[in-house]
Amino acid sequence: AQSVAQPEDQVNVAEGNPLTVKCTYSVSGNPYLFWYVQYPNRGLQFLLKYITGDNLVKGSYGFEAEFNKSQTSFHLKKPSALVSDSALYFCAVRDGAGGYNKLIFGAGTRLAVHP
Amino acid sequence: SAVISQKPSRDICQRGTSLTIQCQVDSQVTMMFWYRQQPGQSLTLIATANQGSEATYESGFVIDKFPISRPNLTFSTLTVSNMSPEDSSIYLCSAERGAGGTEAFFGQGTRLTVV
Repeated sequence: AQSVAQPEDQVNVAEGNPLTVKCTYSVSGNPYLFWYVQYPNRGLQFLLKYITGDNLVKGSYGFEAEFNKSQTSFHLKKPSALVSDSALYFCAVRDGAGGYNKLIFGAGTRLAVHP
Repeated sequence: SAVISQKPSRDICQRGTSLTIQCQVDSQVTMMFWYRQQPGQSLTLIATANQGSEATYESGFVIDKFPISRPNLTFSTLTVSNMSPEDSSIYLCSAERGAGGTEAFFGQGTRLTVV
């Protein structure tokens, strides 16, 4: 069975500081990994994904994430946080093996960037 | 990317009534899905909307309560039937272009309150 964990309910960071939002996963086959962001009263917006290839993937709004197979992690990072980055972030995983599998979402991490 | 229009954006309904939510994608997509989300919480998949056939429901969701239509490759509806206050939630439409490595796109969501 596939699963994804976001161990932090909330992450607080000062504007201008680097940020990390953690995500670990469990799948039977190769993982397809995604990060989404949700602003208040909005749907989810796609940030970035890892399917194969370079372990460091870059996405929208200056975000990046590093795939670490040995630690089964896919942490979201940004070198310098903005107040406008404050939102709810979801990590999601899909098992790449055995045909089409549904997307599994983590519980979400609320990012609060303080001026 | 794909643009998904979902309506209504919000509604307040009387218990015992039904509400139909519409989801329109601006281009043809292979997969369409319906999720439920409590504010600030993770997403729960209700069902996969199959074009031209009955939807595939997840455990805990049944067709009598959540009938779904998908008459073509760009449009789907979700009906929440015989509503109770427990159905108060955000309902999200999602679409994917097909392969497991493609990202999902989301509508803005429908915030439903049952009184």
